[in-house]
Order: sequence, then structure tokens, then C-alpha cells
Amino acid sequence: DIQMTQSPSTLPASVGDRVIITCRASQSINGRLAWYQQKPGKAPKLLMYKTSTLESGVPSRFSGSPSGTEFTLTISSLQPDDFATYYCQQYKNFPYTFGQGTKLEIK
Amino acid sequence: EVQLVESGGGLVQPGGSLRLSCAASGFTFNTYEMHWVRQTPGKGLEWVSYISTGGSNIYYADSVKGRFTISRDNAQKSLYLQMHSLRAEDTAIYYCARGPFYGDYFFDYWGQGALVTVSS
Repeated sequence: DIQMTQSPSTLPASVGDRVIITCRASQSINGRLAWYQQKPGKAPKLLMYKTSTLESGVPSRFSGSPSGTEFTLTISSLQPDDFATYYCQQYKNFPYTFGQGTKLEIK
Repeated sequence: EVQLVESGGGLVQPGGSLRLSCAASGFTFNTYEMHWVRQTPGKGLEWVSYISTGGSNIYYADSVKGRFTISRDNAQKSLYLQMHSLRAEDTAIYYCARGPFYGDYFFDYWGQGALVTVSS
């Protein structure tokens, strides 16, 4: 199975900050990476797929980029609505696996 | 508006069975691949099962293979997960989720989730 490792697990930040969340795959996934945002008591929400393609309606302050088997989710200027937990997911190979999550919390 | 609504969750004893349903609306159900994904505090998000548009292709995670069965009724716009031989580690919120593009196994819409608790 492909292991997905996210860092950090928790990220204290303030409104207006630029934040970066990292996800590393244990092997090549050919850019087949999705990012989700989840708020307490809610289902995950798709933010982007194919590493950097934003889902419709997702603000442009969210961006994604690859570097080999390491992928980053960047929020350019954190907004109050962005405090949530973020997950990456690879869909290159079955079984489709998720990172353990990064909780973005108010500093 | 795309909607996925799960039902059928509840408390079940170890070794018991449960059937989850997911009612779909707001899109052409029979043209989309569907999945079940579960979430636990300890293990996080775990993909459980996939079914193709017509139901002929099915995959399972190793952790549920042989115990869970995914199915769909396109006429009823419904997805199902029959769960047998349930274990404590199957305790989770179970989400049905839509695969937006053929062959791309990520999920663009999720249901609200159904809580399954396996405990004596």
C-alpha cells in the first residue's frame, strides 16, 4: 500500500498567515493527489485534485504543488473559515489511502 | 443540488450484521462510480469499497474483504453496504462518496455519514 505522511499534525496560525501543509507519498503517485478540508461534525470537502486543480467554488487562496513524491497545500492568506483539518489522498493505486490529517488551529 | 444521504447505522454486537444505504439525488446516479469511506478517531480516513457504474467492477480494502459487500440499485438511485461479522475495529462513521471521473478514484461529494458502533 502507498503510505501518505502529512506534516505537521497540528499547525497554529493566525488570520492572514501564509500556511503550507506537506504530504509525502511512499512511492510515485504520478500527481494523482487530492486534498480535502474537514470541519468538526461534517464530511470532508474536496478542495483540489490532480495535485493542483481547484474544485469548483474553492477560493484561489488555496493552491497545490508537487515536488517528486512530496506535495504541498498552500493557503496564501488564512481566513477565519479556513480553520479546519486537511487531508491528502492518493488515487494512483488501490487501496486509495489518506494522510493522517493536519489540524489548522488558531494561534 | 447533489445530495447523498446515508441511513442504517446503529449499535450492533460483535459478530453481527448491518446494512447501510445511501440515497442519491441531484445527479445522474447510473453514470457515476461510487465508494464507501469510513472515519475513526484512531485510524483517520479509510477507503472501504468501490463499485463501478453498472456494478460489474468492485474493489474492497483488505480490512473488510470477505465480510462487506457493496452493491447499487441504479433504478432506485441507491448505494448499499452490507456488513457481516462486524468487529470492534469496524466502529466508524461511514460515508458514501461519489467518484467524479471515470477511473479517478477521489471523491467530490460525500454524504453526511452514518455512525456504526460495534460493541457488546
